[in-house]
Amino acid sequence: EPEVTQTPSHQVTQMGQEVILRCVPISNHLYFYWYRQILGQKVEFLVSFYNNEISEKSEIFDDQFSVERPDGSNFTLKIRSTKLEDSAMYFCASSAAGGSGYTFGSGTRLTVV
Amino acid sequence: GENVEQHPSTLSVQEGDSAVIKCTYSDSASNYFPWYKQELGKGPQLIIDIRSNVGEKKDQRIAVTLNKTAKHFSLHITETQPEDSAVYFCAASMGTGRRALTFGSGTRLQVQP
Repeated sequence: EPEVTQTPSHQVTQMGQEVILRCVPISNHLYFYWYRQILGQKVEFLVSFYNNEISEKSEIFDDQFSVERPDGSNFTLKIRSTKLEDSAMYFCASSAAGGSGYTFGSGTRLTVV
Repeated sequence: GENVEQHPSTLSVQEGDSAVIKCTYSDSASNYFPWYKQELGKGPQLIIDIRSNVGEKKDQRIAVTLNKTAKHFSLHITETQPEDSAVYFCAASMGTGRRALTFGSGTRLQVQP
């Protein structure tokens, strides 16, 4: 069964450093998303991406965040200057044009120290 | 924006019993309601979804019901097994897999053998 692949599975970074989280969505999917889950809390939407541009973003997705699809397979989330409160599990997801529902990756656990 | 409330937060059942998890949503424009199962250290996995033009959907031991008038939907798991133990999330969106999902706060289901 096709999977969404995320790397790394766990990243520790110092406050103020830049991090890039990487995702390989399912190959025939056209919509890409980032969500985050702070430990013990609900999954929160960050941003959606379609046709090489952001189609929707939440209040969480401020100027410190950016997304990019640098080639035909990768989808990245960059946090420019990490804060302690950015510590969370970050999930990438993708969906097909036909609206068949999301497939989530296994996540990247980001720990900011 | 959309708000999804989910109850209960924890649920413990004996193996073979049924489990019911309930969600309410606030935005009458929402028309897509997926349910996700999240096991420890993994991403949310879609287990069943329902669209607003359908009142009930069943897939083996899992069923979902939707009451659009009351703006609530429920997950029913029959003949529970220990491997059903996980955190279950409901979600709502205004599009079938293309738009941002708003998640409920999750239900930790424990099936006692």
